[in-house]
Amino acid sequence: KQEVTQIPAALSVPEGENLVLNCSFTDSAIYNLQWFRQDPGKGLTSLLLIQSSQREQTSGRLNASLDKSSGRSTLYIAASQPGDSATYLCAVPSGSARQLTFGSGTQLTVLP
Amino acid sequence: KAGVTQTPRYLIKTRGQQVTLSCSPISGHRSVSWYQQTPGQGLQFLFEYFSETQRNKGNFPGRFSGRQFSNSRSEMNVSTLELGDSALYLCASSSRLAGVYNEQFFGPGTRLTVL
Repeated sequence: KQEVTQIPAALSVPEGENLVLNCSFTDSAIYNLQWFRQDPGKGLTSLLLIQSSQREQTSGRLNASLDKSSGRSTLYIAASQPGDSATYLCAVPSGSARQLTFGSGTQLTVLP
Repeated sequence: KAGVTQTPRYLIKTRGQQVTLSCSPISGHRSVSWYQQTPGQGLQFLFEYFSETQRNKGNFPGRFSGRQFSNSRSEMNVSTLELGDSALYLCASSSRLAGVYNEQFFGPGTRLTVL
């Protein structure tokens, strides 16, 4: 059974700092990995999707990497801003690849 | 292109009642998945529909059911509501079967409160 872990559970940084969020998964036979952002009480916003054949994916100030062999992914946020404050979730398809298994998320607070 | 829409956004029900939630996927998407999010359990998969057929089901009791219409819109029904059903219910759409190589896009959710 796939298990996804995100560390740390919460992170507080001053504005402008570069930061890294971590995601680990137990079954390396994944098709892809997706990073999401969730604002309080809202739905999930897809940030990046990394296919299993890729090692990195970039969108603006965000860069996600994937190392299947070690069961890890990182989300790098450059020059953080207060608007980046949210919970960040990673998810991988599991079972018959028809459902996502989510980590418990990292709650990020960027202080002005 | 319009995103995933869910209605209603908020619901308050009492124990024992039933509720129906609706999800309209992104135009052209045929796969709709439902998830329950609670503070204690996080995000848990309920079921997935593709071409009006349930393709996958999570570990939830039979009180949770769903269906998909020919226009890909999906409804989720919960009967005999319990206090523990209070949660944010999210639906996600993707262009093909959920999972393999496909990005999933989520709606804003329906916040269900059971009193």
